[in-house]
Amino acid sequence: NAGVTQTPKFQVLKTGQSMTLQCAQDMNHNSMYWYRQDPGMGLRLIYYSASEGTTDKGEVPNGYNVSRLNKREFSLRLESAAPSQTSVYFCASSQGTGMNTEAFFGQGTRLTVV
Amino acid sequence: AQTVTQSQPEMSVQEAETVTLSCTYDTSESDYYLFWYKQPPSRQMILVIRQEAYKQQNATENRFSVNFQKAAKSFSLKISDSQLGDAAMYFCAYSTFGANAGGTSYGKLTFGQGTILTVHP
Repeated sequence: NAGVTQTPKFQVLKTGQSMTLQCAQDMNHNSMYWYRQDPGMGLRLIYYSASEGTTDKGEVPNGYNVSRLNKREFSLRLESAAPSQTSVYFCASSQGTGMNTEAFFGQGTRLTVV
Repeated sequence: AQTVTQSQPEMSVQEAETVTLSCTYDTSESDYYLFWYKQPPSRQMILVIRQEAYKQQNATENRFSVNFQKAAKSFSLKISDSQLGDAAMYFCAYSTFGANAGGTSYGKLTFGQGTILTVHP
């Protein structure tokens, strides 16, 4: 099983450029998430989508937009990249009732904004 | 808002020895899940163990076990018979329950800062 697939794995952007991080899952999960990982801060939730057609802000949504394209795909867009957005980005998905929702993660995208 | 704190940025252990990683959290909710995730150098996030808050019994998965103290809001991970492959960053995480307008439930994770575990041969 592929699980959760993210593209690209690495990206370097110049300040002000835009890009979209792609994420797809093949586990038929309803919920999908975008997290960013920064040294000393763990992973923080950017946006999530509880189900197809819905998206909601997480802890650190500023500077990002998301699109839940269909049940499989959830993309994260940086409209005007800033050096503060240099990070490792993880997409995750989960399926479950209530809180017993093990999250399955992609392999991450290392983004550097110069 | 929930917070998760891992006060040990780095830990080390000798191969075959036992090590305990600490985690504390803050919440006003009575029912929740706690997790430990492992992140090796490959960056892949791997679920190690989970604990349901309403269960008294501590979770165990082979060499991994937790010490869950609900009143103290403490959730430590014990790794027995440490192996070289256990070397990684370990994250403690808390799961918040939610449901959208359509009734679909989801689980948002709040992570601690992480602990880097080094295993010495």
